[in-house]
Amino acid sequence: DTAVSQTPKYLVTQMGNDKSIKCEQNLGHDTMYWYKQDSKKFLKIMFSYNNKELIINETVPNRFSPKSPDKAHLNLHINSLELGDSAVYFCASSPGLSNNYGYTFGSGTRLTVV
Amino acid sequence: RKEVEQDPGPFNVPEGATVAFNCTYSNSASQSFFWYRQDCRKEPKLLMSVYSSGNEDGRFTAQLNRASQYISLLIRDSKLSDSATYLCVVNMDSNYQLIWGAGTKLIIKP
Repeated sequence: DTAVSQTPKYLVTQMGNDKSIKCEQNLGHDTMYWYKQDSKKFLKIMFSYNNKELIINETVPNRFSPKSPDKAHLNLHINSLELGDSAVYFCASSPGLSNNYGYTFGSGTRLTVV
Repeated sequence: RKEVEQDPGPFNVPEGATVAFNCTYSNSASQSFFWYRQDCRKEPKLLMSVYSSGNEDGRFTAQLNRASQYISLLIRDSKLSDSATYLCVVNMDSNYQLIWGAGTKLIIKP
């Protein structure tokens, strides 16, 4: 059983389109995250939710909108995709807000905007 | 100065050798430290937490030097499968965020 699963694994789309990435965790964790890893390999936090409540909302264009219907799911919707959105997006979860236990990551969604 | 800094490498090391790399952090109030490993085109995976007293897990040893604000990772008897990018991660206690280094690329050669 995959602990943190995200879909799709690959996404190729045209500029201007709207797309969603889904994430689910079956670890019983309270906290979930979206990270972006660009071509320079920096991992940057985008959003963090704890028990469905938004905790961290970094300086991300408002074209990106997270949604957490329950604590096991955190989806990411992106409007009006731009070339610069091309990156790998990772979902992750952790037991709680305390960062003492590390994160479990999904396998990533490789987004290519053409 | 970056919050978390790592030598990007690559470190090219023969199989069986010992290799060590450091990671410096800027915030002296940082509380939690981790090493993650990321294989090419894969997700990061937790390798080990770094405790104040230092800790060891098999061939891997992690150490924390608070005075000089760095953590280190030592890999003994390196294997081909150790080839990966090693990410240093630091938790600044004032918020819930982890700050990630850009990673050190390690290549183990036969």
